[in-house]
Amino acid sequence: AQSVSQHNHHVILSEAASLELGCNYSYGGTVNLFWYVQYPGQHLQLLLKYFSGDPLVKGIKGFEAEFIKSKFSFNLRKPSVQWSDTAEYFCAVTPTSNTGKLIFGQGTTLQVKP
Amino acid sequence: EAGVTQFPSHSVIEKGQTVTLRCDPISGHDNLYWYRRVMGKEIKFLLHFVKESKQDESGMPNNRFLAERTGGTYSTLKVQPAELEDSGVYFCASSRWTSGDTQYFGPGTRLTVL
Repeated sequence: AQSVSQHNHHVILSEAASLELGCNYSYGGTVNLFWYVQYPGQHLQLLLKYFSGDPLVKGIKGFEAEFIKSKFSFNLRKPSVQWSDTAEYFCAVTPTSNTGKLIFGQGTTLQVKP
Repeated sequence: EAGVTQFPSHSVIEKGQTVTLRCDPISGHDNLYWYRRVMGKEIKFLLHFVKESKQDESGMPNNRFLAERTGGTYSTLKVQPAELEDSGVYFCASSRWTSGDTQYFGPGTRLTVL
């Protein structure tokens, strides 16, 4: 069965620290990859996505992610986090052949200390 | 452009009662998805509409759940009768295209079954 694994459930960082959140998926075919974020009290919103082309994808608020096909990974990075990045982050995939349903990881809660 | 809206934002019911959740997608979005997050678990797909047709309902837990999208606009998700394990946050999302398109999420409905 297709699945997504996020390695860290809860991450605590100080402001200006670098962030990397791991995401691995299990599916042998072509996939579309997403990172969504949910800030406290807000909707889930798209941070960035990868469909094809350059495997290094840049998103909003200085986030980026790198798709490494050989490792089935799509890790999220930010060189310097801010207190306002405190949120829950979700990695999701959708096989390009399916109806478009998203398969989510468990989510990672990021707490940034000022 | 208005986003995806969901009603109610919270619902507390007793086991055995019926609850109906509503989702209004972004105007012009033919694709509508329902997801659910049970506390402590990942967000899981329930079903997918294309206009008024059910494209994929593989994630529906059992026949106590009934989703409709009459006229291809808003959608309802009815749970009858509700059980304790139905508690969670129910998300709705919509997209213009089926494959490879960004899904825009609503704020979710938090359902508590006592």
